[in-house]
Amino acid sequence: GQSLEQPSEVTAVEGAIVQINCTYQTSGFYGLSWYQQHDGGAPTFLSYNALDGLEETGRFSSFLSRSDSYGYLLLQELQMKDSASYFCAVRGIYNFNKFYFGSGTKLNVKP
Amino acid sequence: DAGITQSPRHKVTETGTPVTLRCHQTENHRYMYWYRQDPGHGLRLIHYSYGVKDTDKGEVSDGYSVSRSKTEDFLLTLESATSSQTSVYFCAISDASSYNEQFFGPGTRLTVL
Repeated sequence: GQSLEQPSEVTAVEGAIVQINCTYQTSGFYGLSWYQQHDGGAPTFLSYNALDGLEETGRFSSFLSRSDSYGYLLLQELQMKDSASYFCAVRGIYNFNKFYFGSGTKLNVKP
Repeated sequence: DAGITQSPRHKVTETGTPVTLRCHQTENHRYMYWYRQDPGHGLRLIHYSYGVKDTDKGEVSDGYSVSRSKTEDFLLTLESATSSQTSVYFCAISDASSYNEQFFGPGTRLTVL
């Protein structure tokens, strides 16, 4: 089975750096993805880590360590518009058509 | 933005009535998915399709059925709605060229009284 755990809520100040963690228990997966969802909106794709290490996309970076069953999303130079929920997700290795999502982390950015 | 729409966007119905939600895409993507989102549970996969007339169950499929007769349309049916099916339903699509990225529709808020 697949189980992904994230903190339910994180608060940070505008301009700061915040890290959102995702720990997982899985029988195997193809990679770790991250999605952003604003209140009332649809999830949108942010990043994907197929291999261990850091992937950088502008102010956002994502990291994966398979040996530690752990990944994180790093948001730098926080802006008010970054206030949203963030979800990690994996694609199952035994049925690669299935995606499994964590319960999400609500990020509150304060001025 | 990926061309994906859902209808209706909001629906209120009564327990025991049938309900059908529609997902329509203009991207010609092979894979389509139905998720439900509830507080504290994130997104949970209900059913998915990997081609016309090819569907399979997700992790919370009980009480739901799906059909895909055309590439662009994926229907989710609640045969007899229950209050536990009150949720926000999202459709998503993906394709082999960007397989690890899913594009989500705007969602349907369903309330079962």
